[in-house]
Amino acid sequence: KQEVTQIPAALSVPEGENLVLNCSFTDSAIYNLQWFRQDPGKGLTSLLLIQSSQREQTSGRLNASLDKSSGRSTLYIAASQPGDSATYLCAVTPNNNNDMRFGAGTRLTVKP
Amino acid sequence: DTEVTQTPKHLVMGMTNKKSLKCEQHMGHRAMYWYKQKAKKPPELMFVYSYEKLSINESVPSRFSPECPNSSLLNLHLHALQPEDSALYLCASTQDRFSGGYTFGSGTRLTVV
Repeated sequence: KQEVTQIPAALSVPEGENLVLNCSFTDSAIYNLQWFRQDPGKGLTSLLLIQSSQREQTSGRLNASLDKSSGRSTLYIAASQPGDSATYLCAVTPNNNNDMRFGAGTRLTVKP
Repeated sequence: DTEVTQTPKHLVMGMTNKKSLKCEQHMGHRAMYWYKQKAKKPPELMFVYSYEKLSINESVPSRFSPECPNSSLLNLHLHALQPEDSALYLCASTQDRFSGGYTFGSGTRLTVV
């Protein structure tokens, strides 16, 4: 059964710092991996979707990489801003007809 | 239209009430999902509809009753809920059930009193 782990559980950084959030998964047989952002009490906003054949995706200050063979993905946030404060969730869709699996999330605080 | 719309945004109900949550998408997605999320936890899958048929029910109590009237609409009927059912209820959709690329709604914050 696919397990998804996110480290660290919480992260606090000063504004302007570049940072990396980590996601690992136990079974490399995935269809794709998706990074979400969630503000308190709100729904999930999709940030980046990486297909299994891709190595990375970029959107603005965000860059997500995927290393399927090692079961790892990273979300890189450049020049962090207080508005980036949120919980970031990684989710994996396996390619064996099982539903998406979430990590527990990383709670990010960017201090002015 | 690239959104999943959920109504209402907030709901307070008594344990004897009957209420419904509504979810709508017009992206042509053929799979729709209900998730339950407690504070500081990831979303937990409740129900999956694929091509308007219930594909999975993750051992959810019968006081939660899903309905998919058509390919764009998904309802969750609530009856005789317990205070521990208070949570954020999220709807999502995908092109097909195992295609990934989920679009989530903004959720319904449910409080059972």
